[in-house]
Amino acid sequence: EAGVVQSPRYKIIEKKQPVAFWCNPISGHNTLYWYRQNLGQGPELLIRYENEEAVDDSQLPKDRFSAERLKGVDSTLKIQPAELGDSAVYLCASSSGGEVREQYFGPGTRLTVT
Amino acid sequence: GQNIDQPTEMTATEGAIVQINCTYQTSGFNGLFWYQQHAGEAPTFLSYNVLDGLEEKGRFSSFLSRSKGYSYLLLKELQMKDSASYLCAVLDSNYQLIWGAGTKLIIKP
Repeated sequence: EAGVVQSPRYKIIEKKQPVAFWCNPISGHNTLYWYRQNLGQGPELLIRYENEEAVDDSQLPKDRFSAERLKGVDSTLKIQPAELGDSAVYLCASSSGGEVREQYFGPGTRLTVT
Repeated sequence: GQNIDQPTEMTATEGAIVQINCTYQTSGFNGLFWYQQHAGEAPTFLSYNVLDGLEEKGRFSSFLSRSKGYSYLLLKELQMKDSASYLCAVLDSNYQLIWGAGTKLIIKP
């Protein structure tokens, strides 16, 4: 079974530039999460999708961040314009729901904003 | 507010046993997870507890006391490859996963 796929793995951009991250979850997983993780901290939820519906985006900075999951499968997270404080690892995870709701993570995208 | 506390860093010796504690205060409880995260990699699932008691899985065990808002992860026969961060996370009443900051475990020969 293929795992969660993310691209790119690394991205370096200058501040005020746009950037986009892509995620393809495990086949059959209806729930998709985008997290941001800073060094030495736990993941911080940005947005959670149930199929194509965003059910929790309360932590997403909506002035510069946007996300979509149009067909309920893969998803894109965008930042425009990027700020220095956006430097972090952006993790995508998916789960199949059910009782345990174990989340499977992709390798992440390490973003550096200069 | 919701809060998960775990030690920032722990050191242990290869072959020994270490216990990593986690205390939580959350809006509701639908289970507690432990994840392992090696430096520069994504978190990987270790264990899930929803009922009180001990769950054993090979060298790793996880314990939960819901009345005390407390869990621990027990690692036996430590190996150098166990050097990693261990993240405690609680599924709240909205089925949102609340994450601790993680405990960095350093294994010394």
